[in-house]
Amino acid sequence: NAGVTQTPKFQVLKTGQSMTLQCAQDMNHNSMYWYRQDPGMGLRLIYYSASEGTTDKGEVPNGYNVSRLNKREFSLRLESAAPSQTSVYFCASCSGTGANEKLFFGSGTQLSVL
Amino acid sequence: GENVEQHPSTLSVQEGDSAVIKCTYSDSASNYFPWYKQELGKGPQLIIDIRSNVGEKKDQRIAVTLNKTAKHFSLHITETQPEDSAVYFCAALTGANNLFFGTGTRLTVIP
Repeated sequence: NAGVTQTPKFQVLKTGQSMTLQCAQDMNHNSMYWYRQDPGMGLRLIYYSASEGTTDKGEVPNGYNVSRLNKREFSLRLESAAPSQTSVYFCASCSGTGANEKLFFGSGTQLSVL
Repeated sequence: GENVEQHPSTLSVQEGDSAVIKCTYSDSASNYFPWYKQELGKGPQLIIDIRSNVGEKKDQRIAVTLNKTAKHFSLHITETQPEDSAVYFCAALTGANNLFFGTGTRLTVIP
């Protein structure tokens, strides 16, 4: 039981490049989330999926897209990376449907955009 | 929207002493308040949570208190140990089911 698995752990991009961050959970959770963590700003919600087949914007969605591929997998895509997207990205899941409680987090992806 | 403020941003204590981290929130409809611990290079992990119908909750060396009237809640860690060193985040869940995090407290326990 691995919990929430994120890949890659580290990534360096040039401005304008695209990439997809992958996330998978093996806990049969309904809800999945993408957060970004910046120094002095805590965790901010980018997008979430309350259940398979649904996605919704969070607090800071601009510049990102998401796909809930199935119940296990929730990916985050940067179509044209910008230096402002340099951050640590965390995927999370919880058992409730859009419950936002008792989140389980992955170990993060450190992204640098040059 | 909700505004969660967390203090202090850094905290150093001697091993065995107590540590207290405080958070305030602005949305009176917020009803669920979790605390997460983040160790270096890892994702945040839930350590304790409290709902708005409870004033205090305790789990071994950690406790959380909630004052709904003043809209603040606190994390208390007693008999601190070096493994308690980490960044701690508070959060508040609004009535609209949005979770907002504080900016974090870096706790260092000095052996």
